[in-house]
Amino acid sequence: AQTVTQSQPEMSVQEAETVTLSCTYDTSESDYYLFWYKQPPSRQMILVIRQEAYKQQNATENRFSVNFQKAAKSFSLKISDSQLGDAAMYFCAYRSAGAGGTSYGKLTFGQGTILTVHP
Amino acid sequence: NAGVTQTPKFRILKIGQSMTLQCAQDMNHNYMYWYRQDPGMGLKLIYYSVGAGITDKGEVPNGYNVSRSTTEYFPLRLELAAPSQTSVYFCASSPKGGIYGYTFGSGTRLTVV
Repeated sequence: AQTVTQSQPEMSVQEAETVTLSCTYDTSESDYYLFWYKQPPSRQMILVIRQEAYKQQNATENRFSVNFQKAAKSFSLKISDSQLGDAAMYFCAYRSAGAGGTSYGKLTFGQGTILTVHP
Repeated sequence: NAGVTQTPKFRILKIGQSMTLQCAQDMNHNYMYWYRQDPGMGLKLIYYSVGAGITDKGEVPNGYNVSRSTTEYFPLRLELAAPSQTSVYFCASSPKGGIYGYTFGSGTRLTVV
């Protein structure tokens, strides 16, 4: 079974600075999808960024980018020019691309990292 | 566009009581999911459905039941509530089995006392 580990329970950053959140995962599969979700205090889960494992190019969405290291099974999230509104819990998640029993689309989530942004 | 709607947002139950968490989506998504979120544990899959009439267990199904009679609705039933079911519950849906991620509801915070 796949596991996702976020080793940083909490991180903090100064407004306008850059912060990197870590995520590692364990899988024997070669094809899969990775996601970062943001959960602000409102509790709503918001998709931040998505990466397809067979694409070597790192995904980018505005100030958010990932460093996807497939061999190392690492998928870190970089937030540039941090804003107060970035303060939230961030979850890394894995989705197998396999068929059969995995085709129902289960996401496996990490434990989450709480990001605090200081003004 | 409502997306995924969950009700109620908060609920306190006494041990042994039962309740149904409601979930509705208006995007015609075939795939729907129920997760629970516990502190420091991330989200764990309770049940999922790949279409009307088709449901199956996830990682932590004990103490829960689901039904899916239509595409739109996917209620989660808690029978004989226990303190271990104190959690935040999320319903989610996806058109393509999660390959583009899920659309989540806003969650239900349930406390069992």
